[in-house]
Amino acid sequence: GENVEQHPSTLSVQEGDSAVIKCTYSDSASNYFPWYKQELGKRPQLIIDIRSNVGEKKDQRIAVTLNKTAKHFSLHITETQPEDSAVYFCAASGGGQGAQKLVFGQGTRLTINP
Amino acid sequence: GAGVSQSPRYKVAKRGQDVALRCDPISGHVSLFWYQQALGQGPEFLTYFQNEAQLDKSGLPSDRFFAERPEGSVSTLKIQRTQQEDSAVYLCASSWDNNEQFFGPGTRLTVL
Repeated sequence: GENVEQHPSTLSVQEGDSAVIKCTYSDSASNYFPWYKQELGKRPQLIIDIRSNVGEKKDQRIAVTLNKTAKHFSLHITETQPEDSAVYFCAASGGGQGAQKLVFGQGTRLTINP
Repeated sequence: GAGVSQSPRYKVAKRGQDVALRCDPISGHVSLFWYQQALGQGPEFLTYFQNEAQLDKSGLPSDRFFAERPEGSVSTLKIQRTQQEDSAVYLCASSWDNNEQFFGPGTRLTVL
């Protein structure tokens, strides 16, 4: 089945700097890659997603890139703000049997230092 | 509109007790998913419904776990004879197009 690896597990950046989180996946049939932000004690919230027919997608300060050949995708946050502090999860779905389920990475705890 | 809701938000059970966790998906969402999130980990898939049909239950960790969605809307996840290793946050998510999933706030289960 699908396996998603996420790095780094923790990331600390200065306010205003950029943050990059990387994920790799194992199932070449996966075709949908969402990123979720989860604040302490809250529900995961979708912040951006990308499908396998697109290489890059941007939404204001957030962008995601996908390299299907290498089977990795990355989240880029520019001009970071204190409210960006949270745990971020990547996920993959769409491949093989049970195609609908999301397989999540282990999460990255992002801290923005003022 | 209203998002996915779950109840109870917190549940404390003694080892060996049965528990029932409820999920109210977004109205009209065909797909419903249950995930288990251990402390400091990403959510892990448990089971998936399309309307009332349970199409994938490959993630249920044991036969003590049972889920149902009899009328294709509200779903219940039942755990029988709870064990300490069942302690986790149980997340429900619903989806219209089987891609973008909207999560509920979760039920935090603590088994003593």
